Amino acid sequence: QKEVEQNSGPLSVPEGAIASLNCTYSDRGSQSFFWYRQYSGKSPELIMSIYSNGDKEDGRFTAQLNKASQYVSLLIRDSQPSDSATYLCAVNPRGRMDSSYKLIFGSGTRLLVRP
Amino acid sequence: GAVVSQHPSRVICKSGTSVKIECRSLDFQATTMFWYRQFPKQSLMLMATSNEGSKATYEQGVEKDKFLINHASLTLSTLTVTSAHPEDSSFYICSARLQEHYGYTFGSGTRLTVV
Repeated sequence: QKEVEQNSGPLSVPEGAIASLNCTYSDRGSQSFFWYRQYSGKSPELIMSIYSNGDKEDGRFTAQLNKASQYVSLLIRDSQPSDSATYLCAVNPRGRMDSSYKLIFGSGTRLLVRP
Repeated sequence: GAVVSQHPSRVICKSGTSVKIECRSLDFQATTMFWYRQFPKQSLMLMATSNEGSKATYEQGVEKDKFLINHASLTLSTLTVTSAHPEDSSFYICSARLQEHYGYTFGSGTRLTVV
């Protein structure tokens, strides 16, 4: 079982729709969760971080965390063609003795927003 | 915001030579720096964690004698790929943990091509 799992996609949505991206993680002791956006050939850029169960909203983005289900998601409202990118879910497994704050990344979900 | 400057952005080297990649934290002190490698259409794979003033911690399967990491100051970490071979061609990215806000910021990445 991979430590952080994402559907590779592509997830295709029309412009203006809501895009829903999902991620599951295996380490139940994980404390910190991040969503990054990565354009082709570029390094990741942080979109959202979430640490507590529930929803966290920032503009068009909402991150949702359910630690009991070991599940974190990202909703993008009013999707724009410029949102087309790969979205990476990252988890800090601080529950482990050897975690040392490192981030473990999922394989990423490619999002395509159709004009 | 916190910026990590990574150089060079692109490098082409001959097989058997060594290449050094630098990451500098410009407006904060990075006690911990992470080095990732990303092959085309794959996710970021953590190679090693470097802590200022101590030896780096390498992930399983990463050759520490091939990928030399030095973190001699709070603002500079370097990765040297020694005796590079074509299979080392990849996108290398550094990342620093931000202590105050408990986030992570990434360098812009280095595209290494070994010919």
